[in-house]
Amino acid sequence: DTGVSQDPRHKITKRGQNVTFRCDPISEHNRLYWYRQTLGQGPEFLTYFQNEAQLEKSRLLSDRFSAERPKGSFSTLEIQRTEQGDSAMYLCASSFQGAAGYTFGSGTRLTVV
Amino acid sequence: GQQVMQIPQYQHVQEGEDFTTYCNSSTTLSNIQWYKQRPGGHPVFLIQLVKSGEVKKQKRLTFQFGEAKKNSSLHITATQTTDVGTYFCEGNTPLVFGKGTRLSVIA
Repeated sequence: DTGVSQDPRHKITKRGQNVTFRCDPISEHNRLYWYRQTLGQGPEFLTYFQNEAQLEKSRLLSDRFSAERPKGSFSTLEIQRTEQGDSAMYLCASSFQGAAGYTFGSGTRLTVV
Repeated sequence: GQQVMQIPQYQHVQEGEDFTTYCNSSTTLSNIQWYKQRPGGHPVFLIQLVKSGEVKKQKRLTFQFGEAKKNSSLHITATQTTDVGTYFCEGNTPLVFGKGTRLSVIA
């Protein structure tokens, strides 16, 4: 048990549908990160929060992607009007500000058909 | 933007042989992190390097940070089958992972 929980583990959706993923970080961690990973590639940074503030968002992220962390605890990542190219593993990670490294969750695997 | 390049992409070794992966950044890094991802798993944090020229060891693993803070290496001595996985470096100015080096160990 890594301490970072992601739900669901798998999601299959039809192209054009909206999907939402949830991440529960380690409780004492104030930073939360979202990454996307496709086969054979390293994790690609999407966005990160410190407490409830979204401090950075990748320029690669289209307007169809949005993330929230309303109370500074769990976070949601929503993808609107999904496309086949969105198929990937979506990884959440958390850390405590100033600490080295992140703790990753097991990810949500999205398949868009 | 910043790019982090890792070589080689793949490495196949006999059990007991040494293994090295290299990470090169186009810009100076404030620090660098190394992660290991087992097949089907998620990345697991190994270590952070902060200082120019820093060398850290974890059992059979040796991590180095270059003097210019633009490159780093991970060396595994006498590989074991438990070392199988993909090793990623990550520079956090901003948060950029390399594509990783996939290590296969043949028993």
